Amino acid sequence: DAKTTQPTSMDCAEGRAANLPCNHSTISGNEYVYWYRQIHSQGPQYIIHGLKNNETNEMASLIITEDRKSSTLILPHATLRDTAVYYCIVRVWGGGADGLTFGKGTHLIIQP
Amino acid sequence: GAVVSQHPSRVICKSGTSVKIECRSLDFQATTMFWYRQFPKQSLMLMATSNEGSKATYEQGVEKDKFLINHASLTLSTLTVTSAHPEDSSFYICSASGQGAGELFFGEGSRLTVL
Repeated sequence: DAKTTQPTSMDCAEGRAANLPCNHSTISGNEYVYWYRQIHSQGPQYIIHGLKNNETNEMASLIITEDRKSSTLILPHATLRDTAVYYCIVRVWGGGADGLTFGKGTHLIIQP
Repeated sequence: GAVVSQHPSRVICKSGTSVKIECRSLDFQATTMFWYRQFPKQSLMLMATSNEGSKATYEQGVEKDKFLINHASLTLSTLTVTSAHPEDSSFYICSASGQGAGELFFGEGSRLTVL
């Protein structure tokens, strides 16, 4: 079972910041938070991951609460191409022998 | 980032035939590869874990004799759907992990339609 809870869907206006929440209240101390997204009929695309510090890369920012029980993925300036299903996943880093367990994700719809 | 390639991207076959899907890691050696299945409007479901040179480990409910997995090299894993039926029609996705890698890289997916 997925260890995360996400809203089923969200809308965001083009050009605005999209903030996608994720609850992972049972996360273990050695588990990272990963975010992937899946655009229709494509394989999942890695976005970002973090342990406890906030992280930023060219695609997004990841804000993890101090107690690590929840996190928020931020797409700073959403475009129409960001419309996708976004998956929040917790996993041990370097757990190369373990596949990812996908929940239902959040369907983010960017409105023009 | 690392690239994982799948082939074919789309395949249509008749009921009763077998279909092979290839998954290749293009710029790294993948000690472990994973196969997922995704039905329309549903999330990805892990089918099996494939380690180079050993037998695959299947998730509960996945028939190992129907979904044959071969991981003969560090850059190639294949999934063969044997005696395919219409209910096997789905989107099949592979992912690969290098040694000690934290990220998993996904292929583009292969859409199978069984008539």
